[in-house]
Amino acid sequence: QSVLTQPPSVSGAPGQRVTISCTGTSSNLGAGYDVHWFQQIPGTAPRLLIVSNSRRPSGVPDRFSGFKSGTSAALVITGLQAEDEADYYCQSFDTFRGSMSVFGGGTKLTVL
Amino acid sequence: QVKLVESGGGVVQSGKSLRLSCEGSGFDFYSFAFHWARQAPGGGLEWVAQIRDDGSDMDYSDAVKGRFTISRDNTKNTLFLDMDSLRPEDTAVYFCVKDSSNTWSYFDYWGQGTLVIVSS
Repeated sequence: QSVLTQPPSVSGAPGQRVTISCTGTSSNLGAGYDVHWFQQIPGTAPRLLIVSNSRRPSGVPDRFSGFKSGTSAALVITGLQAEDEADYYCQSFDTFRGSMSVFGGGTKLTVL
Repeated sequence: QVKLVESGGGVVQSGKSLRLSCEGSGFDFYSFAFHWARQAPGGGLEWVAQIRDDGSDMDYSDAVKGRFTISRDNTKNTLFLDMDSLRPEDTAVYFCVKDSSNTWSYFDYWGQGTLVIVSS
């Protein structure tokens, strides 16, 4: 069971908007720690998608956005494209048992 | 550009040891913290261990604490993960991950990973 909770799967048609949620607790997101998002195409290494809740690294399309409020965060993808089909992971920092990084369980995005 | 290349993976019997290495290039290796993360077959990402830029501070996940040791050689731009008392549940692709700062911030670059299979 992951420390951060994500839905196992989401789907959407090309051009649509999808939201992937990430729910934490008072020892991670609720403690003020930032959330970061990664995209992983199966068989490849994860790629940094969103930094510190809402910032896009260079090269990431503006179709990807993120936000965080309290113990929850979300990744929003607008104008869905076939190439967005991938696994998405949220990640943050947790201090419940020392200082450690934690991931969500991952969400499989299917583009219909 | 930033490049991280892991090596050392393979098939090993339960209870045995293995050492993973990760060589970095294209940046000032000594200035950044590093992590190891892993992904079991068909599973999600799991953080394993972290070490700050000068090697003075390390942390481990509960799953590997006492069995794995993270270290680095800044003169050789290389990160290590010594894995002892391996278990079948340690079977995974192990990723070397660069942090964006000298301590714990966010993961900005990942290696391609090296597969470790622990047979029972």
